[in-house]
Order: sequence, then structure tokens, then C-alpha cells
Amino acid sequence: DTEVTQTPKHLVMGMTNKKSLKCEQHMGHRAMYWYKQKAKKPPELMFVYSYEKLSINESVPSRFSPECPNSSLLNLHLHALQPEDSALYLCASSQVVTGSQPQHFGDGTRLSIL
Amino acid sequence: LAKTTQPISMDSYEGQEVNITCSHNNIATNDYITWYQQFPSQGPRFIIQGYKTKVTNEVASLFIPADRKSSTLSLPRVSLSDTAVYYCLVDEGGFQKLVFGTGTRLLVSP
Repeated sequence: DTEVTQTPKHLVMGMTNKKSLKCEQHMGHRAMYWYKQKAKKPPELMFVYSYEKLSINESVPSRFSPECPNSSLLNLHLHALQPEDSALYLCASSQVVTGSQPQHFGDGTRLSIL
Repeated sequence: LAKTTQPISMDSYEGQEVNITCSHNNIATNDYITWYQQFPSQGPRFIIQGYKTKVTNEVASLFIPADRKSSTLSLPRVSLSDTAVYYCLVDEGGFQKLVFGTGTRLLVSP
């Protein structure tokens, strides 16, 4: 069991669909992250939120749209994705955005684009 | 920027000590080095974190030389359940440019 909960666990969508990935933590953390992980590769940072404000966007295409409605929730809105976007999407949180605070990861949403 | 690199794979036997290295030439001056373990279909799990010299907890030790351009994760007396992928994580350019190492796939055999 993890302290960061991601839903859904699996998602299959067509290239014209709109869907959202959800992430929730109740540890009082004020930093939240989205990562993308392809098979047999390390996670790649996509977005960082600090105190509900977007602080880092690692040049992610606009078809991925993050949202942080409150300090416990993080969403990733998906629209017009491409087959190469199929991957495991991981959410993480830490007390604050600093390298001295380890991140807690959810178990991810496995996304398949048809 | 140079990648944060690790050996692709390592093999060991139960009860042995395993040392996994990570090369991070571009680590930010004030950043910590963090190591994670990942099993298939799960997110990475925190193992240990350090800034310099040596850190030890109940599951691992972390050795960091003075120049901080590398680090070594030491797992004492591994068991079959330690078969996993191990990643280091560093800030490569400051301001949270967080980069995972290339990952080391550890296989522990009986």
C-alpha cells in the first residue's frame, strides 16, 4: 500500500478522447510531481507543483494539462494523445520542493493509446 | 548535460553484499542524492538519502566521496526479495531539475 493514491490503475483511450488521471495524498505535502515512465527506462519528470502553483514544466506537449485543485489533489488532463504517449504515469509528493525531502510515489496509471 | 549513469544490471546470490554505483557529474552543489527501489508495476520506493560521506539506515548504506560526483548504494546480505531495479535521483542543474539515473536491474539468485 502506498500513501499516494493514483486512479485509474489502467486506462485505454483513443487518440481523440479526453480523459484525466488523478492523484491524491493526505500526508500534508506541499509539493507534487508528475512523471512519465516508458518500459525499462527511468521515470522522466513532467511537472512540479509547489504550494498548488505550477513551478516546473519540463517542455511537456500541451496535450498534457496538469491541474492542482488543492494541496491534496493533482490531476493530469489528457487530450489528443499519440501512441508514443503510452507509458506508466507516476505521481509523487514531498513535504516541499527541495532535494532534501524524499518523494513518495504512487503505483502509477498504465496508459495505452490506441 | 551528462546523463546520470548506472550499471545496467548486476547479479548476486542470497546473503551477499551488493554495491551499486551512480555517476552524477552535474549534481547541483547543495543537492542530496536519493536512491529508490522499483518493482514491476509499482512506483519507486525510497531507500536512503545523503549529502556527503556515509549514511546508514536499517536497510542500506550510502557512500558519497568528497567530490560528490558519484555515490554507492550498499545492500548488506541481499535476499531474493531484493530483486528489483534501483535508481539514484539527483538534481542536475539546481532548481529541482530532478533526473533519475539510468537504473540498475539487480537479480538475486538462491
